[in-house]
Amino acid sequence: EIVLTQSPGTLSLSPGERATLSCRVSQSVHSDFLAWYQQKPGQAPRLFIYAASTRATGIADRFSGSGSGTEFTLTISRLEPEDFAVYFCQHYGGSLWTFGQGTKVEIK
Amino acid sequence: QVQLQESGPGLVKPSETLSLTCSVSDRSIRSYYWSWIRQSPEKGLEWIGYIYHSGSSSYNPSLRGRVSMSFDTSKDQFSLRLTSVTAADTAVYYCARHSNTWRYFDYWGQGTPVTVSS
Repeated sequence: EIVLTQSPGTLSLSPGERATLSCRVSQSVHSDFLAWYQQKPGQAPRLFIYAASTRATGIADRFSGSGSGTEFTLTISRLEPEDFAVYFCQHYGGSLWTFGQGTKVEIK
Repeated sequence: QVQLQESGPGLVKPSETLSLTCSVSDRSIRSYYWSWIRQSPEKGLEWIGYIYHSGSSSYNPSLRGRVSMSFDTSKDQFSLRLTSVTAADTAVYYCARHSNTWRYFDYWGQGTPVTVSS
């Protein structure tokens, strides 16, 4: 079973700063099968990035995804107040969908 | 845009069966795959299983045969049954729609909390 490990667990940053979130996969995967979600308190996760680097509908271009193989990254170029939330990576493979444990981006 | 709404009991006794329903706001229920996903502090986000209107389904092996899903296209709904529940099944349960490529989840319900306790 593929395991997704996200780091750091918590990222403390100020508005306007750059955020870099990591998702490490336990074995090499195709980038088409990697996605990122944002979740705010009391809400469901929302699809932000799919196929590792494609923004979902309505997602601001300050969000970008990159990576391949076992290392994937979500970058927020300049944090806006509404970006402080928890971000999850997700992988599909072998009829199984798995999630990372999440990175919380909090206001410093 | 499509809306999903989970419904069902918020409290289930240990060893009993958890039953939830997801209502879909439009007729797209016949065109997509649909999943149940749960979230708890202990396990994080966990995919439970998917179903298609044809009846095709697949479940997470970790749930060891306790899961079943069904469809009611006349009501634009699909359902989850989880048997022999324990405290470890306490979580927020979400229904979600698979994207066109079925690799991701592009629409989610708001989630419904379920507690397993006597």
